[in-house]
Amino acid sequence: DIQLTQSPSFLSASVGDRVTITCRTSQDINTDLAWYQQHPGKGPKLLIYGASTLQAGVPSRFSGSRSGGEFTLTISGLQPEDFATYFCQQRNSYPPEITFGQGTRLEI
Amino acid sequence: QLQLQESGSGLVKPSQTLSLTCEVSGGSIIGGYSYFWIRQPPGKHLEWIGYTFYTGAADYNPSLKSRVTISVDRAKNQFSLELKSVTAADTAVYYCAREIVRLKAFDIWGPGTLVTVSS
Repeated sequence: DIQLTQSPSFLSASVGDRVTITCRTSQDINTDLAWYQQHPGKGPKLLIYGASTLQAGVPSRFSGSRSGGEFTLTISGLQPEDFATYFCQQRNSYPPEITFGQGTRLEI
Repeated sequence: QLQLQESGSGLVKPSQTLSLTCEVSGGSIIGGYSYFWIRQPPGKHLEWIGYTFYTGAADYNPSLKSRVTISVDRAKNQFSLELKSVTAADTAVYYCAREIVRLKAFDIWGPGTLVTVSS
């Protein structure tokens, strides 16, 4: 099974800050990693797929990158609506396997 | 804009069957996508349960496979989850979600529904 280790679990920041969240994989997954944002009581929202491609309609302050088995979500210039929980997700096709990171709670 | 909405019983007794439906609005269940059920137990991270295609073919998480059935009803534009022999460990927020197969990412999620297993 592919493991995703997401860090940090909790992040305190202020409006205007730049923050980084990391997801490390236990095996090579190429670029098959996505990032999501979730506000309390709501379903997750897709931010980035393919490790670095911004989903349509997502602000450009969100960006993703990959360096080997380490994937990074960066938010540049935090806005009040960005305070939420973020998590990563990988998808293996054969055999079918989907793994989610533990989540990072971003708070003021 | 396509939307997903979960519905079903919020309270299920131990050993009984959990049944949920995901209604698709603003679009249709079509090829190129897979339609998932995913859950999040309290204090834990997300776990995939299984998925179906518009053809009705389905696949399941091996850890739940013996208890799960996911089906699709294209006439009603919905897909459903049945989880048999539930225990307290099945208490969770249950989400339905659509995956873009080519991108391996979930582009649309329902708001989720809390299902509690308790007598």
